Amino acid sequence: QVVQSGGGLVKPGGSLRLSCAASGFTLTEYYMSWIRQAPGKGLEWLSFIGDSAGHTNYADSVRGRFTISRDTAKNSVYLQMNGLRPEDTAVYYCAREYSAYDHWGQGTLVTVSS
Amino acid sequence: EIVLTQSPGTLSLSPGEGATLSCRASQPVVSNYFAWYQQKPGQTPRLLIYGISSRATGVPDRFSGSGSGTEFTLTISRLDPEDFAVYYCEQYGSIPRTFGPGTKVDI
Repeated sequence: QVVQSGGGLVKPGGSLRLSCAASGFTLTEYYMSWIRQAPGKGLEWLSFIGDSAGHTNYADSVRGRFTISRDTAKNSVYLQMNGLRPEDTAVYYCAREYSAYDHWGQGTLVTVSS
Repeated sequence: EIVLTQSPGTLSLSPGEGATLSCRASQPVVSNYFAWYQQKPGQTPRLLIYGISSRATGVPDRFSGSGSGTEFTLTISRLDPEDFAVYYCEQYGSIPRTFGPGTKVDI
């Protein structure tokens, strides 16, 4: 199970941190991704973190603004989002990658507006 | 970046009919790492097919995936009323991971 928290309304240029807590499996054994969906739009992969070394990668649209991290003791993954823009408004999902994305969080809405 | 193109954009069908959804990749998909998802309004995406043709746990056998290289197909043999949704293809063999724009299957 993957349970998300965080999100909400933030002004342009602001910051927000999303959290994703896993239960029933150990995060370090899988790649975990953040994926978003703008209102009425499709799915966009943003970032993943995986393997024992915590290898990370980012989509060009968020590289340098968003940072993915994890806390192995809490079995949780995070997405720190800085320099938010109105076009970052979306539902953000955390998902486990094992033979594709087989477990998804419930999603959390991030709205960037003044 | 591998760009995925889905067709058609919308498929209007009736319960009991069959559906064929297509997805084309701009480059060959690595290691058959290709998947299909179903998303209903207000819900989280649900994995249907991974590895081109393997059904995820609990997915009815009326859903099947096929293809190779750059051309992939999701077939729904007989549409159930609960199958009316948006379907996305995705490749997870390359970075960045990419999704297609979706095909809406409606009545």
